[in-house]
Amino acid sequence: AQSVTQLDSQVPVFEEAPVELRCNYSSSVSVYLFWYVQYPNQGLQLLLKYLSGSTLVKGINGFEAEFNKSQTSFHLRKPSVHISDTAEYFCAAGNSNYQLIWGAGTKLIIKP
Amino acid sequence: KAGVTQTPRYLIKTRGQQVTLSCSPISGHRSVSWYQQTPGQGLQFLFEYFSETQRNKGNFPGRFSGRQFSNSRSEMNVSTLELGDSALYLCASSNGLAGVSHEQFFGPGTRLTVL
Repeated sequence: AQSVTQLDSQVPVFEEAPVELRCNYSSSVSVYLFWYVQYPNQGLQLLLKYLSGSTLVKGINGFEAEFNKSQTSFHLRKPSVHISDTAEYFCAAGNSNYQLIWGAGTKLIIKP
Repeated sequence: KAGVTQTPRYLIKTRGQQVTLSCSPISGHRSVSWYQQTPGQGLQFLFEYFSETQRNKGNFPGRFSGRQFSNSRSEMNVSTLELGDSALYLCASSNGLAGVSHEQFFGPGTRLTVL
């Protein structure tokens, strides 16, 4: 079955600490991969996307993600988080039916 | 460029009623997708329209329907509302089909409360 799995529903982290949000996708989806962010009481916006080429993708607000084909993962990382990064993060992948498959989301909780 | 707009922003209905939500995509975008977001189920895909044709559909009952007009504006209709339909309904537009590497731009959502 086609699926995108976000392994953690919540990730608490101290301010200025590094963070990794994990995302695994089933091999039956295509290799178009996305991370979106939803700040409180707002719609979603694109953080970064992987279409092809370099496996390390840089996005907005200092986030980056690495595409790992052998592990079917697309984990999101930031070396130092800020209070303003408090949000829910969604991983998504495009499949062969041109449909976007979404993960369940990970809430990033920044502790002062 | 104006962003994706959704109307109304808030709506309160009672069980059994029907509701129509509207979405105006970014100018030039031909694809509009609809999502339901709830605390319990997260973000769930409803359907995607491209050039007035439904291209993809999620696992929702037939009470949920949609359409897209020639100017790419889209409406979503929910008939015979149930309490469980209370949610944030998000609309997103993109240049092409969402699953084909196209970035989606989301509106602020319509908050539907069913009493």
